[in-house]
Amino acid sequence: GQQLNQSPQSMFIQEGEDVSMNCTSSSIFNTWLWYKQDPGEGPVLLIALYKAGELTSNGRLTAQFGITRKDSFLNISASIPSDVGIYFCAGPGGGSNYKLTFGKGTLLTVNP
Amino acid sequence: EAQVTQNPRYLITVTGKKLTVTCSQNMNHEYMSWYRQDPGLGLRQIYYSMNVEVTDKGDVPEGYKVSRKEKRNFPLILESPSPNQTSLYFCASSPGGGSAYEQYFGPGTRLTVT
Repeated sequence: GQQLNQSPQSMFIQEGEDVSMNCTSSSIFNTWLWYKQDPGEGPVLLIALYKAGELTSNGRLTAQFGITRKDSFLNISASIPSDVGIYFCAGPGGGSNYKLTFGKGTLLTVNP
Repeated sequence: EAQVTQNPRYLITVTGKKLTVTCSQNMNHEYMSWYRQDPGLGLRQIYYSMNVEVTDKGDVPEGYKVSRKEKRNFPLILESPSPNQTSLYFCASSPGGGSAYEQYFGPGTRLTVT
């Protein structure tokens, strides 16, 4: 099946810093999604991308659909303590049945 | 409030004792899915449903069953749970069609099988 490699696995940053994380796939994707999961809760959809080269923002979050269609990037600007959590990339898992495949996540810790 | 609900939130059971985790959504979504989340493995899809009476296997379907008799409900059934099914389970739903990948997740069910 599809494989997503997400990096880094974890990040420790100071409040106010910018954050970048990325995700690569073993095959071409037509859709990229980014989710955030807070401790003890379900993942929440942050951004959905549908076109190669697309750059989409959601507040301080910006995600890009890579030109090669095999990668995506998520940036968080001016991080705040509530940005703490696990960030997942996700994409179509293959076939036409809307199955999602997830990366293993990036754990973000923000020090106040 | 638009949401996906799961019950129970926490469950401890013994090997072989059949159990059902319920999932319900109030958004009239066509698409529903179950995932399990394990340390180091991320989220993996168990089963999904495109619509009422239409279900299909995800990546890790062994040991699980599902049904979709009503649009809003998508229960996950473990006929004979085993310790390797100890995990955190999430139900998700989406509108289907062009937005099928934009999935809304429930709060999770933490299952322990001893």
